[in-house]
Amino acid sequence: NAGVTQTPKFQVLKTGQSMTLQCAQDMNHEYMSWYRQDPGMGLRLIHYSVGAGITDQGEVPNGYNVSRSTTEDFPLRLLSAAPSQTSVYFCASSYVAGLGYTFGSGTRLTVV
Amino acid sequence: GQQLNQSPQSMFIQEGEDVSMNCTSSSIFNTWLWYKQDPGEGPVLLIALYKAGELTSNGRLTAQFGITRKDSFLNISASIPSDVGIYFCAGQSSNTGNQFYFGTGTSLTVIP
Repeated sequence: NAGVTQTPKFQVLKTGQSMTLQCAQDMNHEYMSWYRQDPGMGLRLIHYSVGAGITDQGEVPNGYNVSRSTTEDFPLRLLSAAPSQTSVYFCASSYVAGLGYTFGSGTRLTVV
Repeated sequence: GQQLNQSPQSMFIQEGEDVSMNCTSSSIFNTWLWYKQDPGEGPVLLIALYKAGELTSNGRLTAQFGITRKDSFLNISASIPSDVGIYFCAGQSSNTGNQFYFGTGTSLTVIP
C-alpha cells in the first residue's frame, strides 16, 4: 500500500545511546517532515525537507539530525538520547509544502 | 512557535449528538487543516481549507475557515461510536515559514 512507512514502531533507549528512526514514502512526495507528539502539546515540528538534499530546522530541532539523500527517505537521528526525548515521533509527507500531509503510524520512543 | 488554542480539550457526548470544536490563533493563517487521530495511529487528514470564509464538508463533517483568518471550526453531525479519537487543527502561513503548526487536540468520546 502506498503511504508513509516508519520503523521501528517501538524503541527503548538508554540515556546517551544513539539511534536512527526510519521514514520512507512511495508517493514521490517532495516535502517530508518529522514531528514529535507529547501529551497536551500537540504535534511539534522537529525538522523538514522540501526536496532531496535540502533540510531545515523546525520548532524543536535540538538533539536531532536529519538528511535527505533521496526523495523517498528521510531518517531522523538522535545522537545522544535524553529522557526529554521520550515521545511519539511522526513522519509526514506531501506533494508540496502547504498541502495536507500524509502521516506515518508513528514510532513510540522511551529513553530511560 | 505559533500558538494554536483548541477547545474544548475533551468532550463526552451521546451517540447521535452534534459536536462543535474550534481552533484560534494569534496569527493570520492562509491554510487550515483538520485531522483525526485514532489510538496508536498517525493523524489522518479530514478537511483542508484555503480561503477565508470557506465552508467545506466531508460526509458528516463540516469545517469553516474563519473570516478573520485567525480561527477555524469543525462540526460533526449525528455522532457515531467510530468518531471517537483526537481531533487536531493545523494552520499555515508565510509567517510560519509555510510550515504547519498544530493545536493541542480535542479528545472526543462518544457514548453509545
